[in-house]
Amino acid sequence: DAGVTQSPTHLIKTRGQHVTLRCSPISGHKSVSWYQQVLGQGPQFIFQYYEKEERGRGNFPDRFSARQFPNYSSELNVNALLLGDSALYLCASSSTGGGGTEAFFGQGTRLTVV
Amino acid sequence: LAKTTQPISMDSYEGQEVNITCSHNNIATNDYITWYQQFPSQGPRFIIQGYKTKVTNEVASLFIPADRKSSTLSLPRVSLSDTAVYYCLVVYNAGNNRKLIWGLGTSLAVNP
Repeated sequence: DAGVTQSPTHLIKTRGQHVTLRCSPISGHKSVSWYQQVLGQGPQFIFQYYEKEERGRGNFPDRFSARQFPNYSSELNVNALLLGDSALYLCASSSTGGGGTEAFFGQGTRLTVV
Repeated sequence: LAKTTQPISMDSYEGQEVNITCSHNNIATNDYITWYQQFPSQGPRFIIQGYKTKVTNEVASLFIPADRKSSTLSLPRVSLSDTAVYYCLVVYNAGNNRKLIWGLGTSLAVNP
């Protein structure tokens, strides 16, 4: 069974551009979470979705948005990119997203903003 | 303010037991504590999760005191392949908003 898959694995964007990152959860998982991880630091929580509804939101500006589709895959969108948005973006899926539920991570998308 | 604190780094030797403690002073009564392991250029990997007292699985133990303001990950008999960054994660539930707060990570170096 496939694990969490993220696409693309790497990309380079210019300041001011927009980017869309995609995540496919493990089959049967209904919750997806997004994280930003800057080199040398821990993951920072961005969003969590469950059954297509937002369940949690971290302290990120409105330039960051996300959605979850009926097949439980998810997109993370970032508008007006800044140099500081350069990071590894991680997606995690879990069966319910609630407490006591193990989350499985993808390999991440490495975003570089120049 | 929800915050998760853990040591920046630790050193150990093969075969030793390693204990990494995480502080989460503002944890609520219904929040879980989870530990992850991360190798360079990879996503975090689940190690263990607990709510109270002690949890043990095939790779680690998790000790949580009665006040739940801290937790200790215990890795028995570490090997070189356990060299990685270990993160403590606490889920804080504030009404309808869930926040997943990660520590900054503990970089564990296992020496021969």
